Amino acid sequence: DGGITQSPKYLFRKEGQNVTLSCEQNLNHDAMYWYRQDPGQGLRLIYYSQIVNDFQKGDIAEGYSVSREKKESFPLTVTSAQKNPTAFYLCASSRTSGRGSSYNEQFFGPGTRLTVL
Amino acid sequence: QKEVEQNSGPLSVPEGAIASLNCTYSDRVSQSFFWYRQYSGKSPELIMSIYSNGDKEDGRFTAQLNKASQYVSLLIRDSQPSDSATYLCAVTRYSGAGSYQLTFGKGTKLSVIP
Repeated sequence: DGGITQSPKYLFRKEGQNVTLSCEQNLNHDAMYWYRQDPGQGLRLIYYSQIVNDFQKGDIAEGYSVSREKKESFPLTVTSAQKNPTAFYLCASSRTSGRGSSYNEQFFGPGTRLTVL
Repeated sequence: QKEVEQNSGPLSVPEGAIASLNCTYSDRVSQSFFWYRQYSGKSPELIMSIYSNGDKEDGRFTAQLNKASQYVSLLIRDSQPSDSATYLCAVTRYSGAGSYQLTFGKGTKLSVIP
């Protein structure tokens, strides 16, 4: 059963704490992405990775970090430097991130809701 | 800043009617266009992709693309209450090093009234 999984579904963070969100895919996709969604807002790109051991900053990378040690996994760490981390975090993957029409189709995991206490 | 604009709605249509959702984009070189459906509290689900000018039909959904006008639309025929959701328009943009990313609009909330 192919797809993208994210865990946990809900996460609560105390001030000054780092937390890590998990994202795993078994679609054999090369590219993976992290987005943040705030109420009434579109999705904003945090980080993306085209291949293993490589990743690039998106539009709002400050206060976040990622790693891509395996093709299937792309965890996101929300650090204490992120001043307003409460949001819905979405992980996505696509076959590639290069030019190629359907290869750009991104598929999303179920998301993680992060709340700062 | 490359932008994707959508009317936030809510767009209300009666059951059985045609819902028309519109999206404009600013990057003239965008090549790929997508429509996602997002139910409240859930993640986006890809429902349509379109890459060339004209219409593309899939069941009750039709996507329309006009690159000259930088305009893409989604028509939903025979609208059902289960179509009530927020619809996100996404457009590719070049981000360097041979990589293309998606820019999302803020979405249009559709409400289908029984």
